[in-house]
Amino acid sequence: GQNIDQPTEMTATEGAIVQINCTYQTSGFNGLFWYQQHAGEAPTFLSYNVLDGLEEKGRFSSFLSRSKGYSYLLLKELQMKDSASYLCAVRDNAGNMLTFGGGTRLMVKP
Amino acid sequence: GAVVSQHPSRVICKSGTSVKIECRSLDFQATTMFWYRQFPKQSLMLMATSNEGSKATYEQGVEKDKFLINHASLTLSTLTVTSAHPEDSSFYICSARGEGNSHPYEQYFGPGTRLTVT
Repeated sequence: GQNIDQPTEMTATEGAIVQINCTYQTSGFNGLFWYQQHAGEAPTFLSYNVLDGLEEKGRFSSFLSRSKGYSYLLLKELQMKDSASYLCAVRDNAGNMLTFGGGTRLMVKP
Repeated sequence: GAVVSQHPSRVICKSGTSVKIECRSLDFQATTMFWYRQFPKQSLMLMATSNEGSKATYEQGVEKDKFLINHASLTLSTLTVTSAHPEDSSFYICSARGEGNSHPYEQYFGPGTRLTVT
């Protein structure tokens, strides 16, 4: 089975740093994805990790520890437009399916 | 980059009618397409996986006779919600994956279709 957990909501201040955690217990693993989704829109790709470690891309970074079944998305220099839902998704061994976590709604305040 | 379109973006229909949603890959051939449903403030739930030229594989709890999926070509998949009811009102999102795509993040999402059944 697949079980992916994320906090439901988070609040942070403009200009600050926020870390969104994701833990997973899955029957197979072939990569972990982070997506951003604004209300009423489709998800947009943010990052992909398949090996342990940190992947940095501009203001966004993502970390993976496969032994711990743990990932986080780090957002730096928060902007108001970063207010959105952030979805953690795990890809299965066959590389076909993505299973999504419940998503974390981030609210950035001035 | 790879682009996936959906049509319509919004649709309102009366209870008991059927609605067809199209998902197209515009600049690549999609051997596999995925259909998701998302209720307000909830995450994406996979409904079915369709491979070109074969029957779709439905997730547990998804009625295949109610949600008809056709993947007749490498660039088009359709989802038909038959005899729609208000509880079918949701945001339907498709994604597509191409053959031999070496890009690690190879599922490309469409913009979604907002279905409201009155």
